[in-house]
Amino acid sequence: AQKVTQAQTEISVVEKEDVTLDCVYETRDTTYYLFWYKQPPSGELVFLIRRNSFDEQNEISGRYSWNFQKSTSSFNFTITASQVVDSAVYFCAQSNFGNEKLTFGTGTRLTIIP
Amino acid sequence: EAGVVQSPRYKIIEKKQPVAFWCNPISGHNTLYWYLQNLGQGPELLIRYENEEAVDDSQLPKDRFSAERLKGVDSTLKIQPAELGDSAVYLCASSPGGGFTEAFFGQGTRLTVV
Repeated sequence: AQKVTQAQTEISVVEKEDVTLDCVYETRDTTYYLFWYKQPPSGELVFLIRRNSFDEQNEISGRYSWNFQKSTSSFNFTITASQVVDSAVYFCAQSNFGNEKLTFGTGTRLTIIP
Repeated sequence: EAGVVQSPRYKIIEKKQPVAFWCNPISGHNTLYWYLQNLGQGPELLIRYENEEAVDDSQLPKDRFSAERLKGVDSTLKIQPAELGDSAVYLCASSPGGGFTEAFFGQGTRLTVV
């Protein structure tokens, strides 16, 4: 069975600080995908990144970076020099190869204080 | 390119009444999903379509929920009769299909049953 755990329910940081959102996943499959989505107050889930289980290289996109470690079943997300516009709920999700169903975590509400 | 369009954005109904939600996916996307998001939770899959075929409806409460995707484009999700516990956000998403790619979400329909 698939399970995604986001232990941090809410995080608040002051603008320009770095912040890391944790994600731990469980799956019995050897081929799978991991995702991060952002949900601003408007409600729409915005796709941020997809990683497959064969690629453990960390990825950086502007102020965003992702750390994938299979050894600890973690896929953490770091925002560098946070901005007020980063305030949102962030969801980590996982799917198994051949099954296009996303299993989401419960989300982390991030508040950036100006 | 237009994103996933859902309507209505908000709906308030009395319990035992029927309600329907509409979704127009991104043009050319063969895969369409309906997700349910309860307050403070991550989305959970209700049903997934590949073109007009429902390929995963194991999580759809079939006694009161129904869905259709005629002609493999637009989709409607219906609840009849609605119960108080159905109050939630109903999210539609689409992806190109043909192996997993990221899903793109609409803004959702927030249903309140009173």
